[in-house]
Amino acid sequence: AQKVTQAQTEISVVEKEDVTLDCVYETRDTTYYLFWYKQPPSGELVFLIRRNSFDEQNEISGRYSWNFQKSTSSFNFTITASQVVDSAVYFCALRVNTGGFKTIFGAGTRLFVKA
Amino acid sequence: DTAVSQTPKYLVTQMGNDKSIKCEQNLGHDTMYWYKQDSKKFLKIMFSYNNKELIINETVPNRFSPKSPDKAHLNLHINSLELGDSAVYFCASSPGQGGNSPLHFGNGTRLTVT
Repeated sequence: AQKVTQAQTEISVVEKEDVTLDCVYETRDTTYYLFWYKQPPSGELVFLIRRNSFDEQNEISGRYSWNFQKSTSSFNFTITASQVVDSAVYFCALRVNTGGFKTIFGAGTRLFVKA
Repeated sequence: DTAVSQTPKYLVTQMGNDKSIKCEQNLGHDTMYWYKQDSKKFLKIMFSYNNKELIINETVPNRFSPKSPDKAHLNLHINSLELGDSAVYFCASSPGQGGNSPLHFGNGTRLTVT
């Protein structure tokens, strides 16, 4: 069975601090895809990044960076120099190509960035 | 232009009523989904359609009936609404079923059953 665990329910930081959101996934499939989505207070769900299981290259995009490690089944997300606008719920998600191509979401981590 | 649009944005109704939520995507995607987000923000897939064909039907009460008249539309009809149906319902689409294509979500429909 597939599972995504985001152990951090809520994180509170002060603006300009760096913050890392943890994601641990479980699957027996050798091919799978990982995603991060952001849900700001306005409620929409916004795609941030994706990773294939065969691509462990980490990525930096502006203040965002992602650390994918198959050895620990983790796909962590770091925001550098956080800003108030980063306040949102962040979801990690997993898709495998069996069982109907479901995208399974973690429970989300609510990030509060205080000015 | 809105890529995935859902109507209505808010829906307040009483127990026992029947209601529908409509979803349309103009991205040319083949696959559409309904997700339910509960009060704790947990997102759970309900249904998935690929080219009008039902692909995923999670353990959802049969009071929920999706309908896809064409691949650009996926509507959700709910019969005999219950208090526990109160949630935000998100429609989403993707180019295909699998692979690394991300989901494109609508803005959600907040359903409140009183």
